[in-house]
Amino acid sequence: GAGVSQSPRYKVAKRGQDVALRCDPISGHVSLFWYQQALGQGPEFLTYFQNEAQLDKSGLPSDRFFAERPEGSVSTLKIQRTQQEDSAVYLCASSRGGSGTGKSDTQYFGPGTRLTVL
Amino acid sequence: AQTVTQSQPEMSVQEAETVTLSCTYDTSESDYYLFWYKQPPSRQMILVIRQEAYKQQNATENRFSVNFQKAAKSFSLKISDSQLGDAAMYFCAYRFRYGGATNKLIFGTGTLLAVQP
Repeated sequence: GAGVSQSPRYKVAKRGQDVALRCDPISGHVSLFWYQQALGQGPEFLTYFQNEAQLDKSGLPSDRFFAERPEGSVSTLKIQRTQQEDSAVYLCASSRGGSGTGKSDTQYFGPGTRLTVL
Repeated sequence: AQTVTQSQPEMSVQEAETVTLSCTYDTSESDYYLFWYKQPPSRQMILVIRQEAYKQQNATENRFSVNFQKAAKSFSLKISDSQLGDAAMYFCAYRFRYGGATNKLIFGTGTLLAVQP
């Protein structure tokens, strides 16, 4: 497709359930980012992939959060044993180049997945 | 650690008028990028304008321009001839130019802009 897509757009989970959020980046984009946006806040970085390599996972809030991008395209963010504080919009973004080049590659964002944990 | 501050939670402007959104940031780095992103209600975040810290000239994109004051660590966005479609949440963001393993963006908390007809 022409842009970044995410699915599902909305997800309601009961506390303790596992969820999986999918991101389809723009075709050919090397870099993929996950951000978490709490209500009324700006997005906060979770993790970064360059192709299939997860180069930075410093923003993942706990070991219940896990992300993968096995073939260097589609990525999945998994949250195990969801808690109410996990309720947020999860944004995926992709950009053309890799990190460390010094270039200001534009990050293109998807529409997000709104996760509500009851 | 780098931080980005937007001190105006909400702003309002009349259609066709000009509005300025404020942003300050804190960093010890000298080489970085600054961005303004627009997030319309229930729609995707899109890039409005970017500024390279090593360039003294302020960036402009049609009706959007910035006032970049590096010494003051200030990066404001001016929207001229405001249109109804400009109504959105605006986020200021920072990125270290040579981000090492990542080019992550650091965002402010946003300013909600309303445009009155």
